[in-house]
Order: sequence, then C-alpha cells, then structure tokens
Amino acid sequence: GAGVSQSPRYKVAKRGQDVALRCDPISGHVSLFWYQQALGQGPEFLTYFQNEAQLDKSGLPSDRFFAERPEGSVSTLKIQRTQQEDSAVYLCASSVDSHNYGYTFGSGTRLTVV
Amino acid sequence: EDQVTQSPEALRLQEGESSSLNCSYTVSGLRGLFWYRQDPGKGPEFLFTLYSAGEEKEKERLKATLTKKESFLHITAPKPEDSATYLCAVLRGAGNMLTFGGGTRLMVKP
Repeated sequence: GAGVSQSPRYKVAKRGQDVALRCDPISGHVSLFWYQQALGQGPEFLTYFQNEAQLDKSGLPSDRFFAERPEGSVSTLKIQRTQQEDSAVYLCASSVDSHNYGYTFGSGTRLTVV
Repeated sequence: EDQVTQSPEALRLQEGESSSLNCSYTVSGLRGLFWYRQDPGKGPEFLFTLYSAGEEKEKERLKATLTKKESFLHITAPKPEDSATYLCAVLRGAGNMLTFGGGTRLMVKP
C-alpha cells in the first residue's frame, strides 16, 4: 500500500484481556519498528525488526509484551493480561532499509484499558 | 543516559510571527538528529535529518539547524496549517532506535 497501515485504530480492553495489534508496513520495507506514545509525550521505542528477525526488543516494558513478524512483512504486537498502564497509542513505522531512518509511521492504534 | 529535551512545551504564535523551537540533547556518539511533525490522531511525519554540527536543512517555512548540543527548528512567517506538535529525536550508537523528546505543541492563530 501507499503507507503504513495499522489496525484496529481504536481498541478498548478490559483489564486482564489479551490484545493483538496489527501493522502492515510499506511493501518492500525491510525495517519495522514499534513505539509506544503516552498522551502528551514523545514516542518510546519498543522493538525493531529487520525482515523477520527481531534484532532489538530492549524497549518492551515487560514479558507481557510480545512482537512478531514471521514472514518479514506484517507484524503483530501482542499484549497479554493488559493493565491500565498499557493504555497508550502504539505506533508502527517502517523504512526501506536499516540505514534509512526517515521512518514512515502509521496512524497508530489507541489502546484504552478499562 | 540519553536525554532529549524540547522547549517550549507549547507555543502560541500569530500568523506571520516567526519563532524557533529548541531541542537539547545529551548523547554520546550521535549518528543523526531527526525532526518530525505530528498532527492530532496521526503518526509522526518525517521532516529532516541532520548529521553534523553546522548542518542546515530547509523545507518551505521550516529550517532546521544543528550544533553539538542542540538543534533549532526555525519557523518563518507561520500559517495556521503549521499548527502541530513538532518532535525531535536522536539516533546514536549501533542500534536503530530513535530517542524522542516530549515535543513542542505549536498553535498558529490567524
């Protein structure tokens, strides 16, 4: 597609529920990133893929967070047993290769945990 | 620890009133400094990358500059459509993660 597509745009989850957030990067983009953005704050790094390999997951806040990109294209960020502090916008970004850092971001998924 | 601090947090300008946004950083091994624009409900949109002190880049009414400690985003004769949150971010070391500042929310009134 023309841009990075994320779904769903909005997700309301009850505390303790598992959620899965999807990212469709720009076709052919090698690098894929997940960021978490709290209200009024800048994005914070979660994890990075180069093709299907997860090269950096140092930003994942707990073992409840898991990300995958099995075929080097679509990625899913999964959060198990959601907590209120997980409420945020989850942004996905892709870039054409690992040396191009002018990422293209998607519009994000706004997760609200109630 | 890397620190990226943006100021002011919010800025109100009249249309045509030029100003500058500041991004101060404390990192070792800076590989690049990035500016993004973010509209409400959207993801950040890439504006510029600066790689070394003294470098400048321009796009329409925006000009970004870089020193060894900070970067400025100068906005000349802004228009209401320039209203947005402007984010700066740094890339350092061997990793590929960007560290973002908290952003400056710019409001331009007609």
